[in-house]
Amino acid sequence: ILNVEQSPQSLHVQEGDSTNFTCSFPSSNFYALHWYRWETAKSPEALFVMTLNGDEKKKGRISATLNTKEGYSYLYIKGSQPEDSATYLCAFGGGTSYGKLTFGQGTILTVHP
Amino acid sequence: NAGVTQTPKFQVLKTGQSMTLQCAQDMNHEYMSWYRQDPGMGLRLIHYSVGAGITDQGEVPNGYNVSRSTTEDFPLRLLSAAPSQTSVYFCASRKTSVAYNEQFFGPGTRLTVL
Repeated sequence: ILNVEQSPQSLHVQEGDSTNFTCSFPSSNFYALHWYRWETAKSPEALFVMTLNGDEKKKGRISATLNTKEGYSYLYIKGSQPEDSATYLCAFGGGTSYGKLTFGQGTILTVHP
Repeated sequence: NAGVTQTPKFQVLKTGQSMTLQCAQDMNHEYMSWYRQDPGMGLRLIHYSVGAGITDQGEVPNGYNVSRSTTEDFPLRLLSAAPSQTSVYFCASRKTSVAYNEQFFGPGTRLTVL
């Protein structure tokens, strides 16, 4: 079983704060790293799919970086808004399971007005 | 496109009952999968399919069956429901089995087994 860890488990920030969280994954046999945003009572929605070491992706105020050699990815949110409150999931594709995605437990972000 | 659809949204079963969770996608995706989501556990893969007629087990397959007779549909069968199967079930699809394809999720089915 592949080990995909996310930290912190939860985070409370004030509106306007910038924040970041981490996804750690195996550094060997890497194929892809997915980030999802998951709002309560909805389904996970893809934010980014990252494939190359050094990749940086951006969507509005959210960005992500990838380091496959050391096995981590950071997700950044600039100027957090209450509507950013959600669980952020990462999923690792690789190892011996070519197509399967292994999910981390998620980081629960709460942005207070 | 409707994307990935799941029915029912909610279901309550008694221990020992069987039922089928339906999943369909209209994006002509080859790869489909079922996950269950439990508190503190993240999403765990139950079964997956890389194309019509081909299925395989994921991380937690016991107590579940799947089949894939068409590209569009990937039903999940609970053979004899147990309280341990109380969970939220998500179906997902992506274009092919390669891990770098974007994956799309259905709205989920919340199942309670009494």
